[in-house]
Amino acid sequence: AQTVTQSQPEMSVQEAETVTLSCTYDTSENNYYLFWYKQPPSRQMILVIRQEAYKQQNATENRFSVNFQKAAKSFSLKISDSQLGDTAMYFCAFMKYQASGTYKYIFGTGTRLKVLA
Amino acid sequence: DAGVTQSPTHLIKTRGQHVTLRCSPISGHKSVSWYQQVLGQGPQFIFQYYEKEERGRGNFPDRFSARQFPNYSSELNVNALLLGDSALYLCASSHRQFGEKLFFGSGTQLSVL
Repeated sequence: AQTVTQSQPEMSVQEAETVTLSCTYDTSENNYYLFWYKQPPSRQMILVIRQEAYKQQNATENRFSVNFQKAAKSFSLKISDSQLGDTAMYFCAFMKYQASGTYKYIFGTGTRLKVLA
Repeated sequence: DAGVTQSPTHLIKTRGQHVTLRCSPISGHKSVSWYQQVLGQGPQFIFQYYEKEERGRGNFPDRFSARQFPNYSSELNVNALLLGDSALYLCASSHRQFGEKLFFGSGTQLSVL
């Protein structure tokens, strides 16, 4: 069974600094997608970044980038120039397409990030 | 354009009751999925519907059911509520079935007493 592990329950970073959130996953599949979602106190989940497993190039979205290590099954999120608005829960998620024609979506337990002024 | 809307925002029920949660996707989105988020945990996948057919199901008992209507809105039904069903229920929509960015609603907070 697939699992997604986020080993850092809480992290903090000074405003304007860089922080890296860790995520590892376990799968025997070769084709899948990985995501980072942000959940602020408003509770609405917002996609931060998306990575297709078949792409070797790491995804980047403005101040957010990932370090995707397929062989190591690692998918970390780097936030550069941290801003107060980045304070939120961050969830790593894994999605794969199953032979039955359905798909499966698995989220990690989350990392609570606090950006300090 | 309106985002994903869920109703109600909060709900209090007692054990054994039935509940229906509703979700309207973003206009043009044909896929709707449901997630349960217990306090302090990540979302757990419950169902996905695409073009009104069930296309994915998580590890939830048969007390949980869902459907998607011709206008692509969706309902999540939970029968015989248990205290453990207390959670935030999130709905998400996307244009296609697989691999796409999910747009989430703000959720329905269900409390079972």
